[in-house]
Amino acid sequence: NAGVTQTPKFQVLKTGQSMTLQCAQDMNHNSMYWYRQDPGMGLRLIYYSASEGTTDKGEVPNGYNVSRLNKREFSLRLESAAPSQTSVYFCASSTRGQEYGYTFGSGTRLTVV
Amino acid sequence: QQQVKQSPQSLIVQKGGISIINCAYENTAFDYFPWYQQFPGKGPALLIAIRPDVSEKKEGRFTISFNKSAKQFSLHIMDSQPGDSATYFCAASSGGSYIPTFGRGTSLIVHP
Repeated sequence: NAGVTQTPKFQVLKTGQSMTLQCAQDMNHNSMYWYRQDPGMGLRLIYYSASEGTTDKGEVPNGYNVSRLNKREFSLRLESAAPSQTSVYFCASSTRGQEYGYTFGSGTRLTVV
Repeated sequence: QQQVKQSPQSLIVQKGGISIINCAYENTAFDYFPWYQQFPGKGPALLIAIRPDVSEKKEGRFTISFNKSAKQFSLHIMDSQPGDSATYFCAASSGGSYIPTFGRGTSLIVHP
């Protein structure tokens, strides 16, 4: 059981380049999320998708777009990367019930130079 | 405004000691309080969680203590081991929105 799979694991971009981070889950979860993790800042929500066909902004959505491709897949796109987007990005999924918590992927370490 | 404040930012404990991480929250609508554990290079993983109808929950060496009136909750790791060295995040969420608000994390190092 793979859980939440993120690709790529590492990426270096030049300022202004674009890229898409991929996320897929095989747990039949309804909700999916994208977070960024920066030192001393904890986990900040970028975008989320409560169910297939819906997406909503989180705490730090500027500079990002998302697509909920189907129930399994939720991608995050950087249209014009900036050094401030250097971070570790985590995808997560959950069922509607709180008590099951989140299942996180192993992360994508992105460096924008 | 930070809705969930976590302290300390870092913690060093000797093997066999007790590690204590504290969190305080503002929103009285929060009704679910999970803790996540993150090892280097990995994503966070749900460790233990509590609801405000109980004051304490224990799972092995990990205990959550909850003080509803003070709006505080804490994670206690008894007999801390080097393998417990990780970053710990507290979080809080409400039934109206299952999306948790995370604390900023505590880096725990347990020395052998």
